[in-house]
Amino acid sequence: DAKTTQPPSMDCAEGRAANLPCNHSTISGNEYVYWYRQIHSQGPQYIIHGLKNNETNEMASLIITEDRKSSTLILPHATLRDTAVYYCIVSASGGSNYKLTFGKGTLLTVNP
Amino acid sequence: DTGVSQDPRHKITKRGQNVTFRCDPISEHNRLYWYRQTLGQGPEFLTYFQNEAQLEKSRLLSDRFSAERPKGSFSTLEIQRTEQGDSAMYLCASSLRGMDYEQYFGPGTRLTVT
Repeated sequence: DAKTTQPPSMDCAEGRAANLPCNHSTISGNEYVYWYRQIHSQGPQYIIHGLKNNETNEMASLIITEDRKSSTLILPHATLRDTAVYYCIVSASGGSNYKLTFGKGTLLTVNP
Repeated sequence: DTGVSQDPRHKITKRGQNVTFRCDPISEHNRLYWYRQTLGQGPEFLTYFQNEAQLEKSRLLSDRFSAERPKGSFSTLEIQRTEQGDSAMYLCASSLRGMDYEQYFGPGTRLTVT
């Protein structure tokens, strides 16, 4: 059962911010939002996660709406190496959150 | 390089043959996971270990599949009597207990069953 909805593809110009949306309208109170990405021919890579506050790390920023029904992953200055499939995952903390449930993700293409 | 290695990277086998894949996780990670990914889809969870104990197996893991993690270090995934539907990328990941959300994935083993 898909808990998240993402656009299948997006384009972004190199050097510009890439904003990747994710809808998770059925998210529960104890569920976190996780983002991973998968560069071609590699395994997925963890990017960031959050519960309800906005989060930022060296890779990206995560903006979660106040009602928590959607979020946006922001890559502030996209480079060609950011071309990848980006997965938004919703999972409860503790318990079975080891079981990452990937959807089809968004293919982000960064153009020169 | 995430520190998780998998061997082989590619395997071509004939239907009905047995295959075995190996995963070497990051040494201090006590949790290890196997996922399967088919073309155009995200990875699907197969099973996971905490140290040497296999704690969960997905319904996707038929009786022909078996995974082990002796001594809580490397892990093997064996597929017996392979079928064409087993063709996929098999991914291994590891994490620290309590940080399951941050799984480090290996490069995967691509299996082609002819």
